[in-house]
Amino acid sequence: AQSVTQLDSQVPVFEEAPVELRCNYSSSVSVYLFWYVQYPNQGLQLLLKYLSGSTLVKGINGFEAEFNKSQTSFHLRKPSVHISDTAEYFCAVSTYNQGGKLIFGQGTELSVKP
Amino acid sequence: NAGVTQTPKFQVLKTGQSMTLQCAQDMNHNSMYWYRQDPGMGLRLIYYSASEGTTDKGEVPNGYNVSRLNKREFSLRLESAAPSQTSVYFCASRSSGGVADTQYFGPGTRLTVL
Repeated sequence: AQSVTQLDSQVPVFEEAPVELRCNYSSSVSVYLFWYVQYPNQGLQLLLKYLSGSTLVKGINGFEAEFNKSQTSFHLRKPSVHISDTAEYFCAVSTYNQGGKLIFGQGTELSVKP
Repeated sequence: NAGVTQTPKFQVLKTGQSMTLQCAQDMNHNSMYWYRQDPGMGLRLIYYSASEGTTDKGEVPNGYNVSRLNKREFSLRLESAAPSQTSVYFCASRSSGGVADTQYFGPGTRLTVL
């Protein structure tokens, strides 16, 4: 079975500062990794995903994430955040034989302050 | 192209009442999913349908039933609502063309059971 742990439930940060949202996973088989964003009162939308190949993945809105197999991590980063990045961020995993089912982490609430 | 739509957006029920949450997608996707979102717990899979005519249980199926009416529509039914089912419910769909295709989410239904 797979599991996902997001290490911070809330991350406050000032505008234009860098941010890292941490995600660790557990799995006995190879995984696919995703970051989704949820703006207030909306559904989730995909930020980026890692399937294979380069461990540094770039997504929308200037976000990127690095897959680290030895540390079983997939941390999300942005060098300079904007007020509009305020949202909840979810890390998720799936595996080849799971029919596309996603296992989500608990979520990290990013709050960007002026 | 509306993507994934859900009705209703909000609903208040009394304990023991029944209701059906509707979901439809216009992307010709094969797979559809129902999740519930609770504070601090991320999203948890209730049921999914890998293709028209098939449904399977997810992580938290108790108290729910589903119907894959056709390729476009996937409904979630609460036969006898309980306060523990107060949550935000999300429907998602995914094409099966690739091993890790993106899931696309609807805007959610916020359900309160009194």
